[in-house]
Amino acid sequence: QITLKESGPTVVKPTQTLTLTCTFSGFSLSASGVGMGWIRQPPGKALEWLATIYWDDDKRYSPSLRSRLTIAKDTYKNQVVLTMTNMDPVDTATYYCAHLSPGYTYAQDWGQGILVTVSS
Amino acid sequence: QSALTQPRSVSGSPGQSVTISCTGTSSDVGGYNYVSWYQQHSGKVPKVMIYDVNKRPSGVPDRFSGSKSGNTASLTISGLQAEDEADYYCCSYAGGYFFVFGGGTKLTVL
Repeated sequence: QITLKESGPTVVKPTQTLTLTCTFSGFSLSASGVGMGWIRQPPGKALEWLATIYWDDDKRYSPSLRSRLTIAKDTYKNQVVLTMTNMDPVDTATYYCAHLSPGYTYAQDWGQGILVTVSS
Repeated sequence: QSALTQPRSVSGSPGQSVTISCTGTSSDVGGYNYVSWYQQHSGKVPKVMIYDVNKRPSGVPDRFSGSKSGNTASLTISGLQAEDEADYYCCSYAGGYFFVFGGGTKLTVL
């Protein structure tokens, strides 16, 4: 059974850096063909794909947020970490981590999400 | 990468069929057979209903079907039921190992 859970601060101040951790079980990110992503959803708005990391440490970012995002994995801890710099109130959203399907064609399994509010 | 275009809302009566469109470009929807659809009930986590254009994960009713023509993908829900009322998002592989979502469609069952 695959499980994913996001953790991190639920409130950050403008200009601060957000660090979110996804702790997962049921698969290994060191195994060939495995990928994971971060997706966010502002309140009442659409989903937005942020970043993806693959078993071979290949990393991909949203073109519009590339300069602010870093994704990294710790295969020993079964964790994926997303950092986003220079947070702004418009970054207020529920942040989800997801496990990609074999072949990386869709987000097969999702965490419960974590609501992050950016406010002074 | 721009978001895929979906109608903001659709509606139908129980038992009817509805279709939700998802329009992209040749760089995403039209370029790959990797369109997925997610159902999201209010306050809940998205759930995949269709992947790779027209495949259903186990446990998803066969009332849900997907298709694609050119740069537009579609999700059809037949035999509408009250529990189908939710937001639906399409998502497409967009090359370079990245993905783009649609703006979401609110389905109302009348």
